[in-house]
This record gives sequence, C-alpha cells and structure tokens, in this order.
Amino acid sequence: DAGITQSPRHKVTETGTPVTLRCHQTENHRYMYWYRQDPGHGLRLIHYSYGVKDTDKGEVSDGYSVSRSKTEDFLLTLESATSSQTSVYFCAISTSSTGDLNEQFFGPGTRLTVL
Amino acid sequence: TQLLEQSPQFLSIQEGENLTVYCNSSSVFSSLQWYRQEPGEGPVLLVTVVTGGEVKKLKRLTFQFGDARKDSSLHITAAQPGDTGLYLCAGDGTTSGTYKYIFGTGTRLKVLA
Repeated sequence: DAGITQSPRHKVTETGTPVTLRCHQTENHRYMYWYRQDPGHGLRLIHYSYGVKDTDKGEVSDGYSVSRSKTEDFLLTLESATSSQTSVYFCAISTSSTGDLNEQFFGPGTRLTVL
Repeated sequence: TQLLEQSPQFLSIQEGENLTVYCNSSSVFSSLQWYRQEPGEGPVLLVTVVTGGEVKKLKRLTFQFGDARKDSSLHITAAQPGDTGLYLCAGDGTTSGTYKYIFGTGTRLKVLA
C-alpha cells in the first residue's frame, strides 16, 4: 500500500461543467501521474508531475489541466467536461528518484460519467 | 513512439490449465513491470524485471524479460479462479530524465472453476 487516495471515487456531471479530481499521497514521493483507462485503449497518460509546480503533458492531455502546489496533492481539472471524458481515472506515484528502480503504484480510481 | 502490444487480448481457460501472456515492443526498455487489475480497483504491481534474460517467479507465476529488453512474458502454471483479472505490462519509457511508463492494452484472463 503506497498510501494513495483519490476523491471523489464516483462522479456524474453534465457536459460543460468543470470537474476537479484529487489525488493524495502520504509518502512524499516526487513523481505523480494521472491516467485514464478506457476499453480497448488500456491506460493512457494524461499529465504527470516531477515535483511541486513541475508538471508535463502525457499523450492525451487535451482538455485537461493539472496542478501540484504541495508534494502530497496532485489535482486533475477538466475545465469544461465533455462526454468523451467519461472514463475511469487513475492516479499513480513512482517510488524512484534519479538512478533508482522505477516502480509505479496506483490509487483506487475515480469513475467519471459526463452526461 | 514507443508501443507495447499484448497478446492474447482475451483468454478463457479451465482451472488447472497453463497459459502464457506476451508483451512485445520494437523499443528497448530499461525495465518492465507486470500488473494485475481486478474490477473496480487500480492495477496492482506484481513484478519488475530489469536485466535482459531475467526470470522471476512469484508462486505459480513466472515472468521473463527478453534478452534484448524489448519483450516479456508471463506464464501461469495450474491457473486458479483467483488468477482472473486484467494483466497489464508497462515499460519504463524514460527518456531525458523523465519518468514515463508505456502500458500495453492488457490481457483479460478468466479462469473457470
């Protein structure tokens, strides 16, 4: 257990509304990630962070923004939700630092439905 | 673009049978991880392989990393219903100091009692 929690666990929202998902970790890991998981696509990286205020885009970043003002929290925001963003969102941390073995551990996921 | 292809996509077998899942790429990875995911939960890390040719065993599960570090396999001996789940491989796609992982599309395994 890498001490990762996600909130909310389930959310239903309407098209055009803003949505923020929160990932919280308790073990001070530097690297944090947001993925979405859809049938037939596996896990796709949205954004990741390599430190406080340091973030970078993944392969499916359009329509999403992130923020990391504290080591323990990584927020994912959908500025104006669309039905194509209906998905299960997973947060993950990496236990590595430079030169160490990279291993990822995942949170329990947030199921988001955009109507 | 680094890609990982998993095969088969779906597998339904009887309890007690053996099976192998493959994870292939044209890219070299510094390490590769295998996860199992159950419905409604996040992926759970099973193993990380690092060295080309490495073999790791986890009870009835045997993981192998290809000599060229481009492919990996997961072999399950005498499968049990508790092995049912989605199996994912992920390659460490680190470039220029970033820590990105490339995931395969998964193999959905169902073991029938």
